[in-house]
Amino acid sequence: DAKTTQPTSMDCAEGRAANLPCNHSTISGNEYVYWYRQIHSQGPQYIIHGLKNNETNEMASLIITEDRKSSTLILPHATLRDTAVYYCIVRVIEGNTPLVFGKGTRLSVIA
Amino acid sequence: DGGITQSPKYLFRKEGQNVTLSCEQNLNHDAMYWYRQDPGQGLRLIYYSQIVNDFQKGDIAEGYSVSREKKESFPLTVTSAQKNPTAFYLCASKEGLHSGEKLFFGSGTQLSVL
Repeated sequence: DAKTTQPTSMDCAEGRAANLPCNHSTISGNEYVYWYRQIHSQGPQYIIHGLKNNETNEMASLIITEDRKSSTLILPHATLRDTAVYYCIVRVIEGNTPLVFGKGTRLSVIA
Repeated sequence: DGGITQSPKYLFRKEGQNVTLSCEQNLNHDAMYWYRQDPGQGLRLIYYSQIVNDFQKGDIAEGYSVSREKKESFPLTVTSAQKNPTAFYLCASKEGLHSGEKLFFGSGTQLSVL
């Protein structure tokens, strides 16, 4: 599975859009980009995933660059409840081995 | 409500003692996982099971044991051989091998050594 690089931490003002970047320059054609988040002292929660097209659901939007070497998770109107660690993971769908979670980006939403 | 339940939320272990962390799911998922998380770190895989009566070691299986006798249950035993067991333990499940990578996690167990 391709390696990902995320900033260690970010701040965002409440009500503004939070844009979380992820670099995955070695991504292969059959690898998807997954995003999870972990609120303090809880288990991670699935957010969204995509292959090459932009994706949107009730939680967030995922923008993947045309060359697929990077992506951005967008929380359109961040709230204090969005304060969490966000993990970007790249892997083949239906892989035989479990997901690997790195250190992620710690997002702090500030009132 | 369907979900994955871990218990207890907090657990204390004495030196030389084995302790068992419970993980139960009513999602009818085939695959279940145990991860360990140390402060400020990512998750590290301990054991996983893709089907009943079968399980595989993860990256840090030493000092841990598991069983998968029932589809809905995947208990983790932290043995006395695990010299640094203090950590946050997370259990997860997934519908099956061919269901993508959408994991459902429990709320975790914080294990501390007395």
